Formats: sequence, C-alpha cells, structure tokens
Amino acid sequence: NAGVTQTPKFRILKIGQSMTLQCTQDMNHNYMYWYRQDPGMGLKLIYYSVGAGITDKGEVPNGYNVSRSTTEDFPLRLELAAPSQTSVYFCASSYGVRGDEQYFGPGTRLTVT
Amino acid sequence: QKEVEQDPGPLSVPEGAIVSLNCTYSNSAFQYFMWYRQYSRKGPELLMYTYSSGNKEDGRFTAQVDKSSKYISLFIRDSQPSDSATYLCAMSWGSSGSARQLTFGSGTQLTVLP
Repeated sequence: NAGVTQTPKFRILKIGQSMTLQCTQDMNHNYMYWYRQDPGMGLKLIYYSVGAGITDKGEVPNGYNVSRSTTEDFPLRLELAAPSQTSVYFCASSYGVRGDEQYFGPGTRLTVT
Repeated sequence: QKEVEQDPGPLSVPEGAIVSLNCTYSNSAFQYFMWYRQYSRKGPELLMYTYSSGNKEDGRFTAQVDKSSKYISLFIRDSQPSDSATYLCAMSWGSSGSARQLTFGSGTQLTVLP
C-alpha cells in the first residue's frame, strides 16, 4: 500500500494563477481531509469529505474548492492564488469509527509570489 | 484565546531523559485526544490516542488526560535521538463513526541529543 500520496511536492505560483493539488489514497478510506500548516500555527482544516460526492467546509475554506468523484481521489483547487496561501498542504484520510486516526500524505509546499 | 494551546519549544534534552509535553484546551466538548509526531518535512503520524480522562501507555510513551483541568500530556521515557521531531496534540468531538474535525496545537519541537 502506498497510503496517501500527494502531487506535486513543491510548486511556485504567481499571484492570480490557479492550480490543483492532487491527493490519492489506496486504503479504501471513506473520509478525506485537506489541511494547511503555517509555521508555528499547527494544522488548519480547509475541507473534508465523508464519501464520494459529499464535501464540507472546514475552518479555513476561503480561496479553495474541492471535489470528490471517487473514493480514492480528493483534489484541492486554488483559484486566483494569493500570497496568504503560501503554506504546506497536507491531505489525510481515515475510516469508520477510527475517524481520528488520520493518515497523512507527505505534503505539498506551495509558495505564491 | 486559541482553543488549544501548546508550548512551541524548542525543547532540547540529552538522550535517556524523560520528556514531558503538554497542551491545554478551552472547549469542554472535546472527548478524543491524540498526539501526532511529525518528522521534518514529513506528514504527521498518529502516536497516541485516548478517550476521556486517565493514562494510556504504549512502550516508552504515556499519554495522560485530565479533563477536569483541560490538560493533556505526553511523556517519553528513555528518550532517543530518533524521537527528535515536532509533537502535535490534537482533539476532537463527535459521534463514533463520523468524520472528525481535529483541532491541533501548534506543535512542540523536540531535539534529543546523543
């Protein structure tokens, strides 16, 4: 099992550009999450999904969009990138009664200049 | 006031020392308490998971929850250089079987010197 994989590992965007961060899990988990981690700030939940076709906002959803067409994939879309979106983005997944045991991907480091 | 407060450190200890990491929280609805370990430039991984008050031990690691004081701790015995990482506390509430919105502390950076 590869677990949770994320692409790309690094990206530099110019202000106003758009991009999609990819996330795939091969554990057949029904729950998936997107977090951002800023230095000294812990992880903040952006969006989460409880299954294919169902998504919901987390704590910091503004400037992002998600979709979940399959169990395995949960892409995160940035429209009109802003410097405030410079961060490390982590995707995670979990299942059933062990919703807290979230398995994280390696992260995508994004810089917006 | 943040929902979860965690001393960011950095904390540096000699090999073999006992390490104590702590978090306080303000939301009394939290029922589930976790410690995640994050190595540099990696994603967090779950280390310890506890429900309600009390202690839980796993090898060299002990997690302690005091809900009356809204205080949780992680103790590492016989610390090793391989324990050098950032430790994040996390908390959640909700019914079992639901997707959990975790609230994380800011993390404590630990270095264990050989």
